[in-house]
Amino acid sequence: DTGVSQDPRHKITKRGQNVTFRCDPISEHNRLYWYRQTLGQGPEFLTYFQNEAQLEKSRLLSDRFSAERPKGSFSTLEIQRTEQGDSAMYLCASRLTANEQFFGPGTRLTVL
Amino acid sequence: SQQGEEDPQALSIQEGENATMNCSYKTSINNLQWYRQNSGRGLVHLILIRSNEREKHSGRLRVTLDTSKKSSSLLITASRAADTASYFCATDGKGAQKLVFGQGTRLTINP
Repeated sequence: DTGVSQDPRHKITKRGQNVTFRCDPISEHNRLYWYRQTLGQGPEFLTYFQNEAQLEKSRLLSDRFSAERPKGSFSTLEIQRTEQGDSAMYLCASRLTANEQFFGPGTRLTVL
Repeated sequence: SQQGEEDPQALSIQEGENATMNCSYKTSINNLQWYRQNSGRGLVHLILIRSNEREKHSGRLRVTLDTSKKSSSLLITASRAADTASYFCATDGKGAQKLVFGQGTRLTINP
C-alpha cells in the first residue's frame, strides 16, 4: 500500500454513459497526476495538478475528459459519453517536490 | 507517446539467476525511476537515480545511468519467483513535471 487510494477499483459501463473516478493522494503531497494505461503498454500522462491548479493537460485528454482537484486534496477524473476506446486502467499518482511519484492501485474501466 | 524503449520486451529466467533490463530515452532528464507492476495492479516504486548519479543500489537491485548514452539498466540479483512482474523505466524530464514511461519488460522467473 503506497498511501494513494483510488475508487472504484473496477468500473463497467455502457458506451455513452458518464463515469467519475476518485483519487486520494498522500496527504502532504501537493502534486497529483493522472495517467492512463492500456494493455501491454506503459502508463501515459493525462494531467497534473499542483495544489488545486491544473497545470498541464495531455492532448490525450479530449474534451470528454475533465479533472478537478478542489481544495488541493482529492481529485476526480470524469469521462463523459464514454467510448470503447476509453477502456483502460486509470492510474493516479502523487508526490512532494521533485521526488518519486507514488501510484495508487488504479481504476480499471471497461466500456461495453 | 512513449519516451524510450526497454529491452528486452520479455525475459524468462530460472530462479536464482540474475535479470538485467535496459532502458533508453531521448531527452535530457532530472532523474530516472524504475517501477514494478504485477499483473492488473498499480505501480510500485523501486528506485530513483538522479542525472548526476551513475549507480545506485537497493537490496538486490542495482541501477546504472549513462546520460551520455541516454540509457539505464536495472539488475535484479538472485531472482525469486515473486520478482515475476513487468518492469518500467520512467524519465522525469528537465522542466517537466510528468513521468514518461517506456513500454516495459515482462519478467518471468521460473521455479
